[in-house]
Amino acid sequence: DAKTTQPPSMDCAEGRAANLPCNHSTISGNEYVYWYRQIHSQGPQYIIHGLKNNETNEMASLIITEDRKSSTLILPHATLRDTAVYYCIEGRSQGNLIFGKGTKLSVKP
Amino acid sequence: NAGVTQTPKFRILKIGQSMTLQCTQDMNHNYMYWYRQDPGMGLKLIYYSVGAGITDKGEVPNGYNVSRSTTEDFPLRLELAAPSQTSVYFCASKEPGTGEHTQYFGPGTRLTVL
Repeated sequence: DAKTTQPPSMDCAEGRAANLPCNHSTISGNEYVYWYRQIHSQGPQYIIHGLKNNETNEMASLIITEDRKSSTLILPHATLRDTAVYYCIEGRSQGNLIFGKGTKLSVKP
Repeated sequence: NAGVTQTPKFRILKIGQSMTLQCTQDMNHNYMYWYRQDPGMGLKLIYYSVGAGITDKGEVPNGYNVSRSTTEDFPLRLELAAPSQTSVYFCASKEPGTGEHTQYFGPGTRLTVL
């Protein structure tokens, strides 16, 4: 079973920043935190990952707390196309992903 | 690159029928995966492969079989379809040399067993 905890749903106004939290209090020292999203009826899409340091790419930013027990995915200027289910996942051996139920983000005009 | 492609997009089977879900990737990825996703749930790993000729079970392998004769193809076989196998099936592959868990997913196959 997934060992991360995420709120089941969140709303965000279009153009505002969307901040999606995730708790991963049992994460091991060498395990990465990965974020994926799944737009309705499509396959999951990789967003970003990190170990200790904050990370940023063209899609999002990832803020990881110093104790590594939680992280926040930030979409800086959410658009309607960002409406999706967002999954926070602890990296495991063999590259296998353990998906939970994620957070359903609704971006509203 | 087409990425990860899956066929068919949709399929309806009768109980006891068999079928093969096709998955092909053109990115020369060694690792490939099969997941299933039931309504309102996250994905569950069925089988995975770390290279041609090598496969291993995931979390929910019962009722399925796989083979990996080439790097590009990773078909999933259902021998005796059951209603519990009604689900959306996703194939994924992993790029060598990048983050351990950066997987690229196909568009999925929606299977209904009646």
